[in-house]
Amino acid sequence: NAGVTQTPKFQVLKTGQSMTLQCAQDMNHNSMYWYRQDPGMGLRLIYYSASEGTTDKGEVPDGYNVSRLKKQNFLLGLESAAPSQTSVYFCASSYSKRQDRGSGELFFGEGSRLTVL
Amino acid sequence: GENVEQHPSTLSVQEGDSAVIKCTYSDSASNYFPWYKQELGKGPQLIIDIRSNVGEKKDQRIAVTLNKTAKHFSLHITETQPEDSAVYFCAALTSGSARQLTFGSGTQLTVLP
Repeated sequence: NAGVTQTPKFQVLKTGQSMTLQCAQDMNHNSMYWYRQDPGMGLRLIYYSASEGTTDKGEVPDGYNVSRLKKQNFLLGLESAAPSQTSVYFCASSYSKRQDRGSGELFFGEGSRLTVL
Repeated sequence: GENVEQHPSTLSVQEGDSAVIKCTYSDSASNYFPWYKQELGKGPQLIIDIRSNVGEKKDQRIAVTLNKTAKHFSLHITETQPEDSAVYFCAALTSGSARQLTFGSGTQLTVLP
């Protein structure tokens, strides 16, 4: 099993450009998440999807949009990229949205490094 | 919302020594505290967790302790090995309807041979 796959792994954008980060999971998980990781700030939740067709804002949603049209895919969009969005982005999935249960364990992809010039 | 502080940001130990990473949280209603390990170039992976009704949990060379009164929890790694070198994140599960994990800022652990 591939687990959680993110594409692309690296991307350089100019300010104002748009792009979509793609995430796919093959574990039949119900919940999916997008985090960003910045030095000294840990992992911050951008958006999450408890189930197919639903999405909710996390801690830092401004400047992003998401789409969960299929259970196995969760897309993160940047409509007009800004230098402040330079970061490493991680997608994660879990079987249950209840993260305090064994079935709520997060499984992460390997990350997508985005640089906005 | 929840705030999780993690210390130290970097930690170097000799192989075979113990390592301790500490976290504090702000929301007294938080009741679940996982630890994730991130190896270079990889995504974080759950290594151990603890719930608020338990004071300590062990899994081979790693253990986690929780002090609810002081609102802090710690990761203990004994007999460290080079493969323990990684970034470690603590997290706390927020209360309320959203109930999402809030992560600490991470600790870069280096085990020196």
